[in-house]
Amino acid sequence: GAGVSQTPSNKVTEKGKYVELRCDPISGHTALYWYRQSLGQGPEFLIYFQGTGAADDSGLPNDRFFAVRPEGSVSTLKIQRTERGDSAVYLCASSPQGRQQETQYFGPGTRLLVL
Amino acid sequence: KQEVTQIPAALSVPEGENLVLNCSFTDSAIYNLQWFRQDPGKGLTSLLLIQSSQREQTSGRLNASLDKSSGRSTLYIAASQPGDSATYLCAVPLAPARQLTFGSGTQLTVLP
Repeated sequence: GAGVSQTPSNKVTEKGKYVELRCDPISGHTALYWYRQSLGQGPEFLIYFQGTGAADDSGLPNDRFFAVRPEGSVSTLKIQRTERGDSAVYLCASSPQGRQQETQYFGPGTRLLVL
Repeated sequence: KQEVTQIPAALSVPEGENLVLNCSFTDSAIYNLQWFRQDPGKGLTSLLLIQSSQREQTSGRLNASLDKSSGRSTLYIAASQPGDSATYLCAVPLAPARQLTFGSGTQLTVLP
């Protein structure tokens, strides 16, 4: 079956602009995670959804970052007033029920470059 | 706060060698530990997941061990091949959270 997909694969924007990154999880997975990966580092947690609600948004760096999952499937990560420090790979993952013992399945990521 | 460390940061070996990658974590209250592979410019592929009650997991040429009490895990790769070249990451969920805390990875190069 299809894995986790993310669009766009690459995004170049200018400082101060607004961007939206999309994640399509594996069909039927109720849990969805967003991570951010800087060059040479492991991914860092941003936000976790269980169904339509954000169960944990403690990783969002500031109020410029916001994410939604209105129908419990596709999720959009929104970044306002982008800064050069936001440049990174944004990874999305999903798991069947959001239990700790489950494997998380990752998408290919969106490479964001803020000029 | 959970901290995950991977040593070495980079490793280069000739084809056919057996090798060990190391992962350590500071808080032993983990549900499991997961090893991932990341190819350049790609997402993460799950290799092995070891539950906290298990000591090791095997998949083909890969064997992962877990020692919760000492806060360590190892990934053993037997008879390495050039196709094994990638970055290997370990990650743990810290109870009661679901999100993973990752190490910085070990970049492996297997020379033909």
